[in-house]
This record gives sequence, C-alpha cells and structure tokens, in this order.
Amino acid sequence: DADVTQTPRNRITKTGKRIMLECSQTKGHDRMYWYRQDPGLGLRLIYYSFDVKDINKGEISDGYSVSRQAQAKFSLSLESAIPNQTALYFCATSDHLGEQYFGPGTRLTVT
Amino acid sequence: AQSVTQLGSHVSVSEGALVLLRCNYSSSVPPYLFWYVQYPNQGLQLLLKYTSAATLVKGINGFEAEFKKSETSFHLTKPSAHMSDAAEYFCAVSSAGGTSYGKLTFGQGTILTVHP
Repeated sequence: DADVTQTPRNRITKTGKRIMLECSQTKGHDRMYWYRQDPGLGLRLIYYSFDVKDINKGEISDGYSVSRQAQAKFSLSLESAIPNQTALYFCATSDHLGEQYFGPGTRLTVT
Repeated sequence: AQSVTQLGSHVSVSEGALVLLRCNYSSSVPPYLFWYVQYPNQGLQLLLKYTSAATLVKGINGFEAEFKKSETSFHLTKPSAHMSDAAEYFCAVSSAGGTSYGKLTFGQGTILTVHP
C-alpha cells in the first residue's frame, strides 16, 4: 500500500463550489504539507502542519483552508473554487530533516 | 529565507550522453538539498539527498549530485542517459535550522528529454 494517499485523484468542479481534498499517510510522520503544481512554476506550498495542533500558511494560502484531523490526516479545502485554482495538488509528509514523501496527486479542474 | 534556481527549463540529450541538470540555491543557514523526479502522471520520487555528510551524493537509477558550498550549487548528473530517464526533475532546499527548518522550497523544474 502507498505511504501517502490522496482522494479524489481527479475532480472537475464549477466556480463557486466548495470542495475538499483529502490526504492520509502511514509513515508515522508528524509533518504534513499541501502543494500545488503549475507548469513552469514548480511546486508551491499552500499550507503545512508540523503536528496536529500546528497549522501554518505557506506562500500561496489565499483561497484555501486546511484541517489536521489526526496525525495521519490532513485535508485541503477550497471554500469557493475559482478557475485559477485549476492545478495539480500534492500532499506530502516528512521527517525532521525535510525529506518529503509525496502522494500521487489530485488533478483539479475548476470550470 | 531560502530559494532554488534551476538553470534551463528544458534539457535534451541523446541516449547514452551525459545528463547535467543545474541547480543553485540560496540559504541563510546550512542547507539540506534534494533532487526529486516526476514521471508523467505520477507524484514526486526522491532521487537523492544531501544532509551535511559526504558532498558527493549517489542516488537511485545511476544519478549523483555534488554539493559545492563555494558555488552554492547542487548539480545533478548521470554519465549515460537512458530513455527511461525522460521526466521532470526538481531541485529543493530545506534548512537545518532557522524559520525554514524542515520546509522544502522547490525550483521551477527541468524537463529532461532523451532522444534515441
């Protein structure tokens, strides 16, 4: 079984809708992250959490929120989706040195 | 603050030729450095990492990278390219301390194309 799983893998939604992307990990790490990937821009950090009670904004958190339900679960929400949030979203978990383990990604399209 | 610059968004090589993907970093504290690979329609996979031990780091699939502090570089190389190496490669930096401790900052990525 994969160490980091993401659901759904693909999602098409309409402008203004609220959606949630979910992430689970079996690595036993305290740290979890959400990124978005856009062509030519690499991965940009949306939110990160160093433990269940710790939530921090990344470089592009506007329009997003997160919830850390347990050590193993970290979900990303778009309260009111807009077309420029169309992207590939990755969840990751890491040890204290920063080596990150990535999920397979969620391809989100906002029409 | 930390940042990563990958020189060249696209690199094309012939099968059997040397692969060189360039990465320069900026970090106010001692860095940890990583190379990740992303194959089409997949997530990111760790190729290799530098965490302040040996400056020449060997990774999977025949790749290696050398940490050069004086040049703030961590270039990725492979002596002989294989068709299966075609993918997008990301360099990333994390800090051993400071406010960026444990957080990765990624470069923009380099797409490697391998021609027969």
